[in-house]
Formats: sequence, C-alpha cells, structure tokens
Amino acid sequence: RKEVEQDPGPFNVPEGATVAFNCTYSNSASQSFFWYRQDCRKEPKLLMSVYSSGNEDGRFTAQLNRASQYISLLIRDSKLSDSATYLCVVKKFSGGSNYKLTFGKGTLLTVNP
Amino acid sequence: GAVVSQHPSWVICKSGTSVKIECRSLDFQATTMFWYRQFPKQSLMLMATSNEGSKATYEQGVEKDKFLINHASLTLSTLTVTSAHPEDSSFYICSAAPPPPEGRGELFFGEGSRLTVL
Repeated sequence: RKEVEQDPGPFNVPEGATVAFNCTYSNSASQSFFWYRQDCRKEPKLLMSVYSSGNEDGRFTAQLNRASQYISLLIRDSKLSDSATYLCVVKKFSGGSNYKLTFGKGTLLTVNP
Repeated sequence: GAVVSQHPSWVICKSGTSVKIECRSLDFQATTMFWYRQFPKQSLMLMATSNEGSKATYEQGVEKDKFLINHASLTLSTLTVTSAHPEDSSFYICSAAPPPPEGRGELFFGEGSRLTVL
C-alpha cells in the first residue's frame, strides 16, 4: 500500500460546483497533514494545514479522521482559478527536529466556465 | 515574495555533462533543506535531506555519488547532477522551512528547475 493515496482524478467541474477530494495514509504515526496546490509546471504551494477538529479557510474545508487515516478537502463555489493539482501531504517526525514529508500523487482539478 | 529561491529554472544539457542547481533561503537561515524530484504526472519524491555543515541524508535508491549535495552555508544548498543522462530529465525542487519562532512548520518550495538532458 502506498504511503499516501489520493483520488487520481481528473475532476472536471463547472464553475460554482462543490468538489471533494479524498486522501488516505498508511502510517498511523504520521503527525501533521496538509493540502498543497500545484499549478502546471510550478512548485507546490501550501493551501492549508489539516487539523483533527476540521478547519475552514474561505471556500476550502479540510477534514482529518485519524482513526480511518483519512483526509479530505472540500472546495465550495469553485472558481476557474481553482484549476490545479491538489496534493495531499503527510508529515512524520523521525527523531529530534528531523521530519519527512510524503506527497500523494495529486488530484487534477479543472474548473470549466 | 519568494521565501525560497532556486536557480536555474530551466537547463538543457548534453548527456555526460554535470549540472548544478542552487537553492537559497531568503530572509531566514535553513539548517535543513530538502531536494525533491518530480517526473511528469508523478508525485514529488524526496531525494535527499541537505544538512548544513554535514553530509546529506539520501533516500533509498538515490545515488549519492550521482546527485552531489552541498550545504555550505545556512542559506544555500546545491544539487549537482553528475554525468547526466536522459533518464535524469525531471523537475527538481528544493524546499526549506523557516525555523521557530518565525516558522509554523510550513515548507516553502523553490520555483523548481526543469532539467532536460539530450
């Protein structure tokens, strides 16, 4: 089983739609979770961290279920500018201040006019 | 503005030559930097962790003699792809996180370097 698995997509949705992405991770010792966004041929950029209690940032809502080792991202009222690849990222500390980030393969979203 | 800067953005080289990629942390000192590689439609794969003043830690399957990492200062890490071959063509990205108290754990990425080996 891969360390981080995501819906491969692609997701094609109209503007204004609500879309949800799922992600599962295999290592129960993982400690922090993030969603990054990567535009074509660009570097990833942090979209939001994911907290156990769930968190919201404008149109974006992230959820974490540690028992199921499952993370989700919900985008409401999608915009054309939301078109990108969304990466699920899991962070695990390996001793002291050392840590490792593991990236999912990403889910491609295209928002159509 | 960019927190981590990478150079060059694009490089095309002949097979057998060596290519150096620089990664700089701007406005903060990074004792640790990470080097990733991303092939088309694949996830970012960690290649190595660059440690200032000591040897880099390489991930399994990454040849340390082929991918030379130097982290000589707190703001600069370099990755040299030695004797590059077409299969080394990829998108190489570095990253670093501002240490506490400035940082909250967020990892910032350089703009990436797209290497094409002919």
